[in-house]
Amino acid sequence: DQQVKQNSPSLSVQEGRISILNCDYTNSMFDYFLWYKKYPAEGPTFLISISSIKDKNEDGRFTVFLNKSAKHLSLHIVPSQPGDSAVYFCAASAAHSGGSNYKLTFGKGTLLTVNP
Amino acid sequence: NAGVTQTPKFRILKIGQSMTLQCAQDMNHNYMYWYRQDPGMGLKLIYYSVGAGITDKGEVPNGYNVSRSTTEYFPLRLELAAPSQTSVYFCASSYSGGGFKDTQYFGPGTRLTVL
Repeated sequence: DQQVKQNSPSLSVQEGRISILNCDYTNSMFDYFLWYKKYPAEGPTFLISISSIKDKNEDGRFTVFLNKSAKHLSLHIVPSQPGDSAVYFCAASAAHSGGSNYKLTFGKGTLLTVNP
Repeated sequence: NAGVTQTPKFRILKIGQSMTLQCAQDMNHNYMYWYRQDPGMGLKLIYYSVGAGITDKGEVPNGYNVSRSTTEYFPLRLELAAPSQTSVYFCASSYSGGGFKDTQYFGPGTRLTVL
């Protein structure tokens, strides 16, 4: 049973436009959500996170939105740049819901391609 | 700081062979993790450690063993390699397991093929 779902395997956008990557989760115990970015032949690197007490977190060009009632989060990248081309993983943990926040559950990832 | 380092980068094993994937971190992190990523899939936790001498199973531990004798090193042992263990293996570390500001730092990965 996939608890974290990224239903779009790939996304292609033009440079300068907005990229929106989506993630859905099923486990209501999840209360901390992260996005990781991964380039080929490298390990994932942390991008941005959000706790369930917030509905938005912004860091420069990256904004994560959380809709708890829909169990949905999204990552917005504005403006998109060619260097943003990578696989983006959504991850979740149950940090303060009786679980362990170091046990991350990952989605399958979305390959973002930003065309010049 | 080198961060999290992994060796080797690539390895081909024959069925039934054994090997150890090495992982080291120089950030004095207490928590360390091993994940595997199969093609088109997300990362799955194999084993983790919350400190030297303490390890526990993750989601997919079968066919693997770990040890953690020091803070810095967290090797992953494959005994009797099987084709199902063909994957990319990532080691990660974090300072603690608690707190919303904590995050996991990943190594570059080891690509393992079992033929």
